[in-house]
Amino acid sequence: DSGVTQTPKHLITATGQRVTLRCSPRSGDLSVYWYQQSLDQGLQFLIQYYNGEERAKGNILERFSAQQFPDLHSELNLSSLELGDSALYFCASNTEGQAGNTIYFGEGSWLTVV
Amino acid sequence: GEDVEQSLFLSVREGDSSVINCTYTDSSSTYLYWYKQEPGAGLQLLTYIFSNMDMKQDQRLTVLLNKKDKHLSLRIADTQTGDSAIYFCAESIAGSARQLTFGSGTQLTVLP
Repeated sequence: DSGVTQTPKHLITATGQRVTLRCSPRSGDLSVYWYQQSLDQGLQFLIQYYNGEERAKGNILERFSAQQFPDLHSELNLSSLELGDSALYFCASNTEGQAGNTIYFGEGSWLTVV
Repeated sequence: GEDVEQSLFLSVREGDSSVINCTYTDSSSTYLYWYKQEPGAGLQLLTYIFSNMDMKQDQRLTVLLNKKDKHLSLRIADTQTGDSAIYFCAESIAGSARQLTFGSGTQLTVLP
């Protein structure tokens, strides 16, 4: 158990819909990362938040957005969903300055768009 | 740009050693990681190495880093059937806010 909690574990929704994925980081971790794992693109970095502020952006579509709340949990919002958005979405967290800078991943949220 | 490459498949016999290889292109990598993903599961951090190190050993796992060739390897001694999984190599780049660039993953199959 990495200590990073993601909900829901599985989600099936229709094209054009909007979903929200939730992540609780490890206790004490200020940074939250979102990654997408798909068959064709592999594991890709989407976005990072640090203590409530956006820190870095990767290959995140404009239809997607994220935020980190004062209690440090984060949400990834996916809108106008397309079939190609079907993927496993990972949240990860770490503490800046931690020795080894290890990044711990949750078990992911499986999104299927039909 | 950043690019991390791995071979897609590796099969070994139970009890043998497995060596999973990875190459990366960005010389400013600070940390290099190995993650394991079992079917239907998340990413489990196995080990990591700082870029100024050549080797790191952790029980059955040995990581070797050749900075000149930008080559990273993970050796699993006495491979067991429970080691069957996908192994991902990843790098984090200095100044990149610690985001990781992953390889495509190597599917390790351990044969009885």
